[in-house]
Amino acid sequence: AQTVTQSQPEMSVQEAETVTLSCTYDTSESDYYLFWYKQPPSRQMILVIRQEAYKQQNATENRFSVNFQKAAKSFSLKISDSQLGDAAMYFCAYRSAGGNEKLTFGTGTRLTIIP
Amino acid sequence: EADIYQTPRYLVIGTGKKITLECSQTMGHDKMYWYQQDPGMELHLIHYSYGVNSTEKGDLSSESTVSRIRTEHFPLTLESARPSHTSQYLCASSESTGTGNEPQHFGDGTRLSIL
Repeated sequence: AQTVTQSQPEMSVQEAETVTLSCTYDTSESDYYLFWYKQPPSRQMILVIRQEAYKQQNATENRFSVNFQKAAKSFSLKISDSQLGDAAMYFCAYRSAGGNEKLTFGTGTRLTIIP
Repeated sequence: EADIYQTPRYLVIGTGKKITLECSQTMGHDKMYWYQQDPGMELHLIHYSYGVNSTEKGDLSSESTVSRIRTEHFPLTLESARPSHTSQYLCASSESTGTGNEPQHFGDGTRLSIL
């Protein structure tokens, strides 16, 4: 079974600075998808960024980018120029490419932005 | 923002009551999901559906049941609520593109508290 580990329960960053959230996973599969979701307080969970395991190029979405290290089974999220609106719980998630619909989530990292 | 709606947002109710949590989406998505999330913890998949008349149990055992009579509607029912059912329940949906990397769109969740 796949597992996702987020070793940082809480992180904080100064506004406009850069922060990196860690995620590691365990799988025996070679093809899969990885996601970062953001859950602001009392608001909908939304997708931040996604990565296909077969792509070597790291995904980027504006201020958000990932460092995908397939051999190390690591999938960290970098947030550049942090803004107050980035404050949220961030969940790393894994999904098999083999037709299994299941998303396996990590325990989350609570990110605080310091004005 | 995704067009997926959950009602009620909050529910406090006594033990033994029958409860139905509503989830509707207007995006025409075939796939729908129910997750259970305790405060500050990861999401656990409890039910999912590939389409009308399709329902499957997720990883986390749950005493709840679901139905999928219409594409847009995926209600979750607890026949007899117990304090152990106290949690947040998140509904999600996604397209069926066949790629596996389609994101899941989440509702605001229902915070359920059983007295």
